Amino acid sequence: AQTVTQSQPEMSVQEAETVTLSCTYDTSESDYYLFWYKQPPSRQMILVIRQEAYKQQNATENRFSVNFQKAAKSFSLKISDSQLGDAAMYFCASSGGGTSYGKLTFGQGTILTVHP
Amino acid sequence: AAGVIQSPRHLIKEKRETATLKCYPIPRHDTVYWYQQGPGQDPQFLISFYEKMQSDKGSIPDRFSAQQFSDYHSELNMSSLELGDSALYFCASSLGLHPLASTDTQYFGPGTRLTVL
Repeated sequence: AQTVTQSQPEMSVQEAETVTLSCTYDTSESDYYLFWYKQPPSRQMILVIRQEAYKQQNATENRFSVNFQKAAKSFSLKISDSQLGDAAMYFCASSGGGTSYGKLTFGQGTILTVHP
Repeated sequence: AAGVIQSPRHLIKEKRETATLKCYPIPRHDTVYWYQQGPGQDPQFLISFYEKMQSDKGSIPDRFSAQQFSDYHSELNMSSLELGDSALYFCASSLGLHPLASTDTQYFGPGTRLTVL
């Protein structure tokens, strides 16, 4: 079984500044994937970034990057040069290998507010 | 690029009625997942299909059933609806279940908002 924990129910950041959202996970799988999804007020689930556990290099997508600490089972999301459009609920999620491959387990979510 | 299509987008039903939610995956995607997101909650996995066969099952009530058809679209059937079934239902699709596939990312549809009165 997999568990994902987001300990920050809410975070805020000033426009153009940097913010980091925290996520920890637990899994018994040796092969797994980690994701950050964004859910704006429209409730659409939008993929932000993904990380394969077997890759040591941290994933980066434009202003979004992760800090993947495998031993600590930590997977934080850094948003640089924050924009008003980044305001949303952010979910950390994991999927594992074996018979549970593909099923996403989500954290509780972090509401991000961006101040102009 | 084509995305996951869900219909209807909104659905209002009475208690004890039946509802059918439809999902059309991204072209060439052969795997479909269903999730339920209650108010203020994170999405919870219900069931998934790969190549028209059920591949995994989560906390799906016995009143719910689902299947994937030959054209890879999927339907979630919900009977004897209860007030607690009111939620946003997401369908997501991905390409393949191979453990080392690089295209296993799930892409979500816009969701169907079900309200049970």
